[in-house]
Amino acid sequence: QKEVEQDPGPLSVPEGAIVSLNCTYSNSAFQYFMWYRQYSRKGPELLMYTYSSGNKEDGRFTAQVDKSSKYISLFIRDSQPSDSATYLCATPNNAGNMLTFGGGTRLMVKP
Amino acid sequence: ETGVTQSPTHLIKTRGQQVTLRCSSQSGHNTVSWYQQALGQGPQFIFQYYREEENGRGNFPPRFSGLQFPNYSSELNVNALELDDSALYLCASSPSGTTYEQYFGPGTRLTVT
Repeated sequence: QKEVEQDPGPLSVPEGAIVSLNCTYSNSAFQYFMWYRQYSRKGPELLMYTYSSGNKEDGRFTAQVDKSSKYISLFIRDSQPSDSATYLCATPNNAGNMLTFGGGTRLMVKP
Repeated sequence: ETGVTQSPTHLIKTRGQQVTLRCSSQSGHNTVSWYQQALGQGPQFIFQYYREEENGRGNFPPRFSGLQFPNYSSELNVNALELDDSALYLCASSPSGTTYEQYFGPGTRLTVT
């Protein structure tokens, strides 16, 4: 079992839809949870990160962590074609030096 | 504020050769991490450098080595290249005290033939 898992997609939605992207993780010691966006042939861009359980909102993006079920989510409201990218979840080890990534979910937002 | 930069953008090498990739960290960041990303997969941690010392290493063989310089820039060296080394190599830098908060550069795409 991989430490962090994501459905690879692709996930195709119409413009304006609410998007839900999800990850599961296996190590209950993980405390921080990151979301990155990666456009084709580019480096990952840090969108936001949360600590422990709860929600965090930044504009159209909301990150949610449920530590009891080891489940993390990223919601995108009013999705735009420019949101079309691969979304990666990641979590650092306790030393804080290594990020473990999921395989990424490819999102396509159609006009 | 200048972000993380990497050079070269892409390169092609032959199996058995050696390669050096370079990274300049974001202004104010003193920690650099390197990742390998195969096509269609998430990045895999290679190692991290802090204060010019290796600060953690992933499951990569010793032919992957690195350096960090006093200005916090870094190099990744790979010896005896194999076909499976073909990937996007990503450098990330972190602000002091938050090594988990990693900001990535655009990557170097390495093709080994």
